[in-house]
Formats: sequence, C-alpha cells, structure tokens
Amino acid sequence: QVQLVESGGGLVKPGGSLRLSCAASGFIFSDSYMSWVRQAPGKGLEWVSYISASGSTIYYADSVKGRVTISRDNAKNSLYLQMNGLRAEDTAVYYCAKCSEQTTVTFGRYSYYYYMDVWGKGTAVTVSS
Amino acid sequence: VIWMTQSPSLLSASTGDRVTITCRMSQVISNYLAWYQQKPGKAPELLIYSASTLQSGVPSRFSGSGSGTDFTLTINSLQSEDFGTYYCQQYYSFPWTFGQGTKVEIK
Repeated sequence: QVQLVESGGGLVKPGGSLRLSCAASGFIFSDSYMSWVRQAPGKGLEWVSYISASGSTIYYADSVKGRVTISRDNAKNSLYLQMNGLRAEDTAVYYCAKCSEQTTVTFGRYSYYYYMDVWGKGTAVTVSS
Repeated sequence: VIWMTQSPSLLSASTGDRVTITCRMSQVISNYLAWYQQKPGKAPELLIYSASTLQSGVPSRFSGSGSGTDFTLTINSLQSEDFGTYYCQQYYSFPWTFGQGTKVEIK
C-alpha cells in the first residue's frame, strides 16, 4: 500500500538548520508530484512547498521562500525539505504528501492540476532556544 | 493569493444529523477544491477532490458540491466516527491555501 514516512524532525535553536526526509513506498515515486504541508501546534494546515515528478517545477509559500529548499531523489524514492534560518514560527508538524493528477479538457486543450491524496504521519520540528 | 473563508468554525451535531460546511473563495477556482478530515494527533485524510469526487474508500454519506467560488461539504447521517476537523483546500493556483478549519463535535 502507499506509504509515506517522514523523519528528521527535532529540536533546533533559532537560526539553525534541519533536513526533513520522506521515504515513499507502494507507488511509482518517480512519476509522482509531491508536497510538504505543516501544522503549527493548535493551528490549521499551511502548505509549504511543491515539486514536480522530475523536480523541474518547484513552488514555495512566501513564509518559507529563501530559507527552505525542496528536493527529491527518485532513485531513492525520497523527498527532502532542507530548512535553514529556522524561526520560532516554523515550529510545526511537517507532513509530506503525494499528489495525484486531475485532468481537465477545455476546447481540446489539456490542463493538469494536482491534489494531495496521501499524507504521511508527520515529523515534529521545534524551534526554541 | 486566493483567500478562503470556511464556516462554521465549530459545529456541534447529533448522530444522524445532516451537517453542512461551506467554503468561499476570494476568486473563481473552477472545481479545483479538496476536502480533508483530520482527527486529533493524526494526519489529514482526503475525502473529496475535484469539488465533488469522493476519494476511494470514503463513505458515501460524505458529498461535495459547488464550483466557481462557493463550495459545500455535506455529511448525511452523521456518525460518531465523523468527529474531527475538516479543511477545504484550493489547488487552482500557487500558493495553495486551506480554509481555517471546521471542528465537528458529536453531541
């Protein structure tokens, strides 16, 4: 079955760095778009980053842009999130999510949109001195 | 940025009730909307995508409707296991955004 297992979270001081990993299994990882979403304690969900199957298309939330880098290793079926310059407001549970495709045809033209269909259990990041 | 207004923020209902959660977008997103359920201490789970398509394995008492800017998640005959927080999310454009969440409590 489809499985996503995040790791790499922990306690880090403000200004520090962490690299989160997400190990994927049960599906063709190299064909799949992936995403990271986080949830601060007691708060709602916040999308963080997105990467296409090949890694050629990447998006970031403004709240992390310039401090975070998403990447993937399709040979290792793994997704990563390198986080630098961490702040207290980055404290959250970080989830990786597999994306599935929604295809729309309009006047013979195909458009592809991606939604998050399977989520890992998350890894907790705490930024505190 | 597409802003989302989800309501209500808290919903208390009895088993067997029909409940409705709404999500309004700040701009048209066609039908590129998903609904998730999250239980305390757990990861979110996809219920509905494409505004109205039920994810495999999700009970048929869940349904979604809407297009454009206004969307609805309906739970027909609420069950005790349906407690949790529900989120809408648009994937029409980046940055992807979520609604604020609706906490569903069983009376």
